[in-house]
Amino acid sequence: GENVEQHPSTLSVQEGDSAVIKCTYSDSASNYFPWYKQELGKGPQLIIDIRSNVGEKKDQRIAVTLNKTAKHFSLHITETQPEDSAVYFCAASKGSGGATNKLIFGTGTLLAVQP
Amino acid sequence: DVKVTQSSRYLVKRTGEKVFLECVQDMDHENMFWYRQDPGLGLRLIYFSYDVKMKEKGDIPEGYSVSREKKERFSLILESASTNQTSMYLCASSPQGRGNIQYFGAGTRLSVL
Repeated sequence: GENVEQHPSTLSVQEGDSAVIKCTYSDSASNYFPWYKQELGKGPQLIIDIRSNVGEKKDQRIAVTLNKTAKHFSLHITETQPEDSAVYFCAASKGSGGATNKLIFGTGTLLAVQP
Repeated sequence: DVKVTQSSRYLVKRTGEKVFLECVQDMDHENMFWYRQDPGLGLRLIYFSYDVKMKEKGDIPEGYSVSREKKERFSLILESASTNQTSMYLCASSPQGRGNIQYFGAGTRLSVL
């Protein structure tokens, strides 16, 4: 079945620096790649997503890139702030709705932004 | 805003007890999911449901069952709790036909002693 690997498991950066989290997926039929942020004591929340017909997507300080050939995608956070500290999960899925609506999650990255 | 509510934030149960975890969503979503979250393992899908009274096994269904009698409510049942079911349990919902965006509850931390 589909497998998603995520690295690193922990990441510590200084406030203002950039952070990059990388994921690889195994199923070439995957076409939807969301990123979730989980703050302490809360459930994961979608922060950005990308579909396989797009190579890059940006939303203010966060961006996601997708390399379909290599089957990997990355989350980039620029100008990090202490409130960016959280656990980040990547995920992959194929299709939309119906029986293919499952997300396969990576193992998570604990990002710590040091003031 | 979409709201997914899990009935308990913390639960402590004893081995062998029957445990019910309840989840309610208020956005008329067709799809609902139960995950467990363990350090280093990420989120693993236990069961999901696409419609009332419909259920499908996820990746780790052993030791669990589910019930969906109403569209807004999805229950996870541990028939006989064991210590290896101590975990964080997350419920999620998503609308049909709008991609795979899932909305999560805050989670229930279950300890089985």
